Amino acid sequence: DVKVTQSSRYLVKRTGEKVFLECVQDMDHENMFWYRQDPGLGLRLIYFSYDVKMKEKGDIPEGYSVSREKKERFSLILESASTNQTSMYLCASWVSHNSPLHFGNGTRLTVT
Amino acid sequence: GQQVMQIPQYQHVQEGEDFTTYCNSSTTLSNIQWYKQRPGGHPVFLIQLVKSGEVKKQKRLTFQFGEAKKNSSLHITATQTTDVGTYFCAALGGAQKLVFGQGTRLTINP
Repeated sequence: DVKVTQSSRYLVKRTGEKVFLECVQDMDHENMFWYRQDPGLGLRLIYFSYDVKMKEKGDIPEGYSVSREKKERFSLILESASTNQTSMYLCASWVSHNSPLHFGNGTRLTVT
Repeated sequence: GQQVMQIPQYQHVQEGEDFTTYCNSSTTLSNIQWYKQRPGGHPVFLIQLVKSGEVKKQKRLTFQFGEAKKNSSLHITATQTTDVGTYFCAALGGAQKLVFGQGTRLTINP
């Protein structure tokens, strides 16, 4: 069974801090994604990656960056956290567009 | 970019009543996926529809893909408390990414 692991379930950070959210998948998937989830807005794509060192902007990339140095790991970086980045962050991976997207348990980030 | 609109945003039903959520797009979709997110959990894949007019069933859940492949629906017959959660549709956007609808949050009065 595919396992997508996010390093933290809850995080509390201060405004202006640099924040790293880590995600690891164990199924050798090439495609990995970062979404944020907010009430009434569904899941919005921040960034995705289809290969090591490759990245593509999603719908809301502003204020975020990503890193994919190894196939199994996809990191989301908040360069300078702001309160409007308080949200649930979900990492996901899949084999291809015709297969299920597998999600991690999510990281609930609070920026104060 | 690709957008999918999902309605309603919320639905509250009595246990045993039916429930339906709808997903609409202004453009033709290559496929559509449905996910369920239990309270406090993460989205879990339910099903994928690919063919025009396709209907698939999973026990009390019926999934439909429109003839024009621009809309889809999920219908739950005789809801149970275990059906509580948020249901999302998702469609393939450009560049191999999945675009999600806003979700329908289902609550059930036992």
